[in-house]
Amino acid sequence: GDSVTQMEGPVTLSEEAFLTINCTYTATGYPSLFWYVQYPGEGLQLLLKATKADDKGSNKGFEATYRKETTSFHLEKGSVQVSDSAVYFCALIPSHPSGNTGKLIFGQGTTLQVKP
Amino acid sequence: EAQVTQNPRYLITVTGKKLTVTCSQNMNHEYMSWYRQDPGLGLRQIYYSMNVEVTDKGDVPEGYKVSRKEKRNFPLILESPSPNQTSLYFCASSSGSFTTEAFFGQGTRLTVV
Repeated sequence: GDSVTQMEGPVTLSEEAFLTINCTYTATGYPSLFWYVQYPGEGLQLLLKATKADDKGSNKGFEATYRKETTSFHLEKGSVQVSDSAVYFCALIPSHPSGNTGKLIFGQGTTLQVKP
Repeated sequence: EAQVTQNPRYLITVTGKKLTVTCSQNMNHEYMSWYRQDPGLGLRQIYYSMNVEVTDKGDVPEGYKVSRKEKRNFPLILESPSPNQTSLYFCASSSGSFTTEAFFGQGTRLTVV
């Protein structure tokens, strides 16, 4: 079945370091891909998305490119800040016909801690 | 302001005592769902609803019930909670399209003792 795999955490970086969080997926067809972020004590909120191959999603300095050939959607940021400390979830919505359109399939989440 | 509101935020209960977690959205979304978040497992879907009076099981429905009598509300019911239902629960809503984002509530941390 459809699934998402993220790199194990936690990831600890110093402020202004470069961030990469790896995400790969298994799905038929062309799913939509998302990164959600969960700040401490809060619900998830959309960080960025890409809905077709080679699309690049970007927001708040974060970027991720939909790579169909490698089934990947890695999250990157050039210079992290302490305020980026959070849990990051990669997720997909399958494109194949289903009565459950809108269902998100999540990776296990990666905790990022940024130190001053 | 567009939002999904869950209540309560925190709940400690005893095994077997029925409880309800409420969820309400103000975006006129047709699609609503419940997820539980457990360490190392990400979020898993419990139940979902495509519209009023239409609900169906997600990946981990055992021990839960839901109802959708109005478009804005989607309560989660635990008829006889057990300790393995201790978890962090999120309600989410969206338009139901496979390209659009979901909006999440702030979560309900449930402990069953």
